[in-house]
Amino acid sequence: DIQMTQSPSSLSASVGDRVTITCRASQSISTYLNWYQQKPGKAPKLLIYAASSLQSGVPSRFSGSGSGTDLTLTINSLQPEDFATYYCQQSYSTPWTFGQGTKVDVK
Amino acid sequence: QVQLQESGPGLVKPSETLSLTCNVSGGSISSYYWSWIRQSPGKGLEWIGYIYYSGSTNYNPSLKSRVTISLDRSKNQYSLKLSSVTAADTAVYYCATAVAGLDYWGQGTLVTVSS
Repeated sequence: DIQMTQSPSSLSASVGDRVTITCRASQSISTYLNWYQQKPGKAPKLLIYAASSLQSGVPSRFSGSGSGTDLTLTINSLQPEDFATYYCQQSYSTPWTFGQGTKVDVK
Repeated sequence: QVQLQESGPGLVKPSETLSLTCNVSGGSISSYYWSWIRQSPGKGLEWIGYIYYSGSTNYNPSLKSRVTISLDRSKNQYSLKLSSVTAADTAVYYCATAVAGLDYWGQGTLVTVSS
C-alpha cells in the first residue's frame, strides 16, 4: 500500500493567512493526488483533483501543486468557512489511501 | 447533480454481516466508479472498495475476504456487505462516486457493532 503522510497534523491560522499543507507519498504517485475538505459531521468535499485541477465550484483561493512524492495544498487568504480538516488521497494505485488529515483551526 | 444516500441498520451484532445500500439519484449508475469508504476515529478515512459500472470490483486487501460490493442497475443503487464484523468495524460508512476524484459523497451513516 502507498502510505500518505500529511504535515502538519494541525495548525492554527487567522483569517487572511496563507496556509500550506504538504502530503508526502511513500512512493511516486505522479499527479494522482486529490485534496478534500471535511467539516464536523459532514462528508469530505473534493477540492482539488489530479494534484492541481480545481473542482467545479471551489473558490480559486485553493490551489494544489507538486508531483511525485511531495504535493501541496495552498489556501490563499484563509476565510472563516475554511476552518476544517483537510485530507489528501492518492489514486495512483489501489488500495486508494488517505493522509491522516490536517486540522486548520482559529489562532 | 449526482446525489447519493446511504441506508441500512445502524446497529449490527458481532460476527454478523453489515449490509448497506447507496441510492443514486440525478445520474445513472451505468458509468463511473462507485465506492465505499469508512471513517473511524482510530483509523481515519479508509477506502473499502469500488465497483465499476461494468460490474468489475476492486477491494482493499485488508478487507477483501469479508467484502462484497454489488450493483442493482434496475434500482440505480449499489450495496456493501461486510461479513464477520467486530467492534473494529464500527465507523461512519460513506458511499461515493469517482469521476475526477471522489466527487460526490453520501451524507454517511454510522454503523455500530455491538451486542
